[in-house]
Amino acid sequence: AQSVAQPEDQVNVAEGNPLTVKCTYSVSGNPYLFWYVQYPNRGLQFLLKYITGDNLVKGSYGFEAEFNKSQTSFHLKKPSALVSDSALYFCAVRAPSNDYKLSFGAGTTVTVRA
Amino acid sequence: GAGVSQSPSNKVTEKGKDVELRCDPISGHTALYWYRQRLGQGLEFLIYFQGNSAPDKSGLPSDRFSAERTGESVSTLTIQRTQQEDSAVYLCASSLAPGTGGARQPQHFGDGTRLSIL
Repeated sequence: AQSVAQPEDQVNVAEGNPLTVKCTYSVSGNPYLFWYVQYPNRGLQFLLKYITGDNLVKGSYGFEAEFNKSQTSFHLKKPSALVSDSALYFCAVRAPSNDYKLSFGAGTTVTVRA
Repeated sequence: GAGVSQSPSNKVTEKGKDVELRCDPISGHTALYWYRQRLGQGLEFLIYFQGNSAPDKSGLPSDRFSAERTGESVSTLTIQRTQQEDSAVYLCASSLAPGTGGARQPQHFGDGTRLSIL
């Protein structure tokens, strides 16, 4: 079985401040982890992934995420948030034994105020 | 276009009518997925196609839902006798085949069809 939890429905930050969106997962074996962003009336856009290797992965638009195996977490971070980062963010996991089926979290709405 | 294309972008219909949603994947992507996204919720897996293999239909919520795909091209999701609880955004995604490293690659999403049942 595989699952993802995003414990915060909403995150509010001021522009220029650090942004963190939390994600924890449950999976058998080493996970494949993904972050996606969804803007209003649009599909999901891929931000970054962790497959293997360095625990800190860098992605699009200045985002990064840190894989922590002991805490089963994959939190998304951005050092300095922009108003344009306001969107819905999804974490997703796939067990390596599972070829294709992703499990998504419920999503976290990020609001960055000017 | 280079991305996943879905049509229509919006569909409003009366309860009890049938609807057909279309997805055109990225060229070369043999894997195709359908998801349902209800307001304020995450993505719910519906169905998966990979090449000419039998699709994984395990996520279809009832026998009113069906999907077809011809080869490695366009897919259609059909909902018969629509109900109000079918109102949602239906997202299609595509990716490379899992056996060719696609399992490590992200899925690419279309902008979805927003379905409203009156």
